Formats: sequence, structure tokens, C-alpha cells
Amino acid sequence: GQSLEQPSEVTAVEGAIVQINCTYQTSGFYGLSWYQQHDGGAPTFLSYNALDGLEETGRFSSFLSRSDSYGYLLLQELQMKDSASYFCAVRDLGNTPLVFGKGTRLSVIA
Amino acid sequence: GAGVSQSPSNKVTEKGKDVELRCDPISGHTALYWYRQRLGQGLEFLIYFQGNSAPDKSGLPSDRFSAERTGESVSTLTIQRTQQEDSAVYLCASSSSTGGMTDTQYFGPGTRLTVL
Repeated sequence: GQSLEQPSEVTAVEGAIVQINCTYQTSGFYGLSWYQQHDGGAPTFLSYNALDGLEETGRFSSFLSRSDSYGYLLLQELQMKDSASYFCAVRDLGNTPLVFGKGTRLSVIA
Repeated sequence: GAGVSQSPSNKVTEKGKDVELRCDPISGHTALYWYRQRLGQGLEFLIYFQGNSAPDKSGLPSDRFSAERTGESVSTLTIQRTQQEDSAVYLCASSSSTGGMTDTQYFGPGTRLTVL
């Protein structure tokens, strides 16, 4: 089976940087993904890491360390619209569904 | 359509009734997933269809839950004899699922089910 741990809530100030951590336990490993979900909305894909290191997409970056079974999502220059829930997800085998963490609710304050 | 669609968007039913929720995946996507999300909670995997393979039903919480898929298109999730604890948003997702590692799952807007 798989399990993922991420903080339940994070609060940060507009314009700041925030890091959301995710640790996982899987029997296999086919990459770590991050999804964003605004209240009342559907989850949308943000990023994917299959290999160790940092992937950058605009203000968002995602990091993976397979040896530590750990990853994080880094959000820079926070904006109010970034207030949402962020889910890490793993796939432990090919052609299997993603397993999601319980999500981190990010609140961006002025 | 351009994205995953689900219907109805909202469903209110009485305890004990059966409900059917529909999902239209992105055209050409061979993989289809159903998840349940209770208020303020994460996504709970229910069932997964991949092409003509037998579906992965390992996430279905009870035998009251079932799902069908017509070829590589529409899927229907059926909940029989609904209970109040079934109240949640039911999300459908699809992916191209070429078997590669980078398959992104695209989610529909969900069906909000309320069991009174």
C-alpha cells in the first residue's frame, strides 16, 4: 500500500515564499505529483517529479528526493489567489491510479 | 468536449434511494478514475478503468457501490441504498494513460451528493 503525509494547514503572507512538504511510503515509485484545488473546484495538475531534484514552473517549483521518500512544493511571490488546498500524490506502479495525500490548506493573508 | 464533464452537478436524495452519477472523460483518454472527497478531506480512490482491462475496484467501500464503463467513453457510478455517510463530492478523472510515468489526471467538476 501507499501512505502520504503532508501538513494539514499552512498560512503565509502575500508576497512571501512557502514550502509544503510531503513524505510518502510506497511499495514501488512512479513519481510524485502535486495538484491544486480551490474551494468548490476540481483538482488541477501543478507538477510532476520522477527524478531527484527541482522542477520549476513559473512561481511554483517542486522538489523530490527519492532516497528520503520526500518532496516539497515551493510557491514564491505568493498571491491571494494561491489560497487553496495542495495535494501530493504518488503512483507506485505503472497503469495504476494516483494515491493522494490528505491535502494542505494554504491560506495567503495580506 | 474539451474537458471531463460530470452530471448531475448536485444531487440530493433520501436515505435508502439509489443514485447514478455520470462521467464523460476527455475523448481518447483510455483511463478513467472515480474518487470520493468528503468535506475538507482528501481524495479517496474508488475505482479505476483502463481500456479493456478488468477494472481495479479495490477502493470501493462496500458492495453498495458499483461502476460501469462503456468502452473507452462514459462511466456511471451507482450507489445503492444510499446512506448519510455517502454524502460527499464524487470526482471523476481521466488520463491518456500510455503507461508512462507522466500521465496527468484531468478532473471533472464533481457531483456533490447529499443524502438526507
